[in-house]
Amino acid sequence: DAKTTQPNSMESNEEEPVHLPCNHSTISGTDYIHWYRQLPSQGPEYVIHGLTSNVNNRMASLAIAEDRKSSTLILHRATLRDAAVYYCILRPFASGTYKYIFGTGTRLKVLA
Amino acid sequence: NAGVTQTPKFQVLKTGQSMTLQCAQDMNHEYMSWYRQDPGMGLRLIHYSVGAGITDQGEVPNGYNVSRSTTEDFPLRLLSAAPSQTSVYFCASSYSIPPNTIYFGEGSWLTVV
Repeated sequence: DAKTTQPNSMESNEEEPVHLPCNHSTISGTDYIHWYRQLPSQGPEYVIHGLTSNVNNRMASLAIAEDRKSSTLILHRATLRDAAVYYCILRPFASGTYKYIFGTGTRLKVLA
Repeated sequence: NAGVTQTPKFQVLKTGQSMTLQCAQDMNHEYMSWYRQDPGMGLRLIHYSVGAGITDQGEVPNGYNVSRSTTEDFPLRLLSAAPSQTSVYFCASSYSIPPNTIYFGEGSWLTVV
């Protein structure tokens, strides 16, 4: 199973951009890169996903390295409500491989 | 549209007791799974299912049983509760085709004394 590596924690000032890195050097060509976040005392929620190209949605942007061995989740203007644990996981496209491993994620602290 | 519904939300068990955590989804998702999350830790996969009648083990399956008799329901059974199973349990579901966005329940807080 392909694994991801993330820093344990990061800090950001409110209203500033945040770049959350993820390494996935064993990614295969058909693995989607997904990001989820978990607010305190809640279940994880979907943030964004991508395959090869950079992606934007209302919550964040996802920048994927050309070799796909790393990616970066970008929060353009961090707010206090963005304080959460952010998980980067790989979602295999090929059927039959459904062990979605979350790991420990990155705990983002946003400073007022 | 309720999404993923877990019951109970809170439960206290005595060591050796058995219980079932219920999980239901109304999105017609093929894939369902159970995770546990210990304090300050990430999510660990217990069991998962890719469709009715099909289940498989995740990272930490010992002490837990699952079954998938319908598409909607995926109960998690603790056979003989131990203090080490004190945790928060999350049920999740998704379609089996990309992008496979995962939807999580709100969690079940279980304490074994």
